[in-house]
Amino acid sequence: EAQVTQNPRYLITVTGKKLTVTCSQNMNHEYMSWYRQDPGLGLRQIYYSMNVEVTDKGDVPEGYKVSRKEKRNFPLILESPSPNQTSLYFCASRRTGLIEKLFFGSGTQLSVL
Amino acid sequence: DQQVKQNSPSLSVQEGRISILNCDYTNSMFDYFLWYKKYPAEGPTFLISISSIKDKNEDGRFTVFLNKSAKHLSLHIVPSQPGDSAVYFCAAASTNDYKLSFGAGTTVTVRA
Repeated sequence: EAQVTQNPRYLITVTGKKLTVTCSQNMNHEYMSWYRQDPGLGLRQIYYSMNVEVTDKGDVPEGYKVSRKEKRNFPLILESPSPNQTSLYFCASRRTGLIEKLFFGSGTQLSVL
Repeated sequence: DQQVKQNSPSLSVQEGRISILNCDYTNSMFDYFLWYKKYPAEGPTFLISISSIKDKNEDGRFTVFLNKSAKHLSLHIVPSQPGDSAVYFCAAASTNDYKLSFGAGTTVTVRA
């Protein structure tokens, strides 16, 4: 089954404790992206990657890091989480150019205390 | 500043009636528009799209209308069904870079 898998689904942590949210896709997609969803703000892009070893900032990259060492994986790293990073996070992937075929993971609900 | 705006956070409609969701955008470079649907505990899924060369696109019960001069699009669901209860996100992009900008979402509740 074609899918984007994120882990964990839920995460509660404390300020300053480094964490990683994993994302993996099995569709051989070139493009991968991270979004955060906040009430009243919709989905905002954090980082994206056009292919292996190519990453770029989205609209709200501050406080986040990503890496794309393999085509299937695109982890989101929070080196020193803060309460304003409490949010619902989505990873997504698609083939280059196929804007409609953007597949989303099921989301990671992060709470930073 | 948000370039895509959905000014109605919620919409309640009776089963069988029409649901109309509205979306406004500010960026004149946007030439491709999409609607995504999201159920609780799931990621958004693509619903329907429209290119700026068209003013209407239909897919079964779902129709999207685009008014380029007003920078406005709408999604019509006819007839509304209980399974349509979800959050609907409007999104827009320029085909120069395919970077999607999303609205805040509208929560639709279909009453039996």
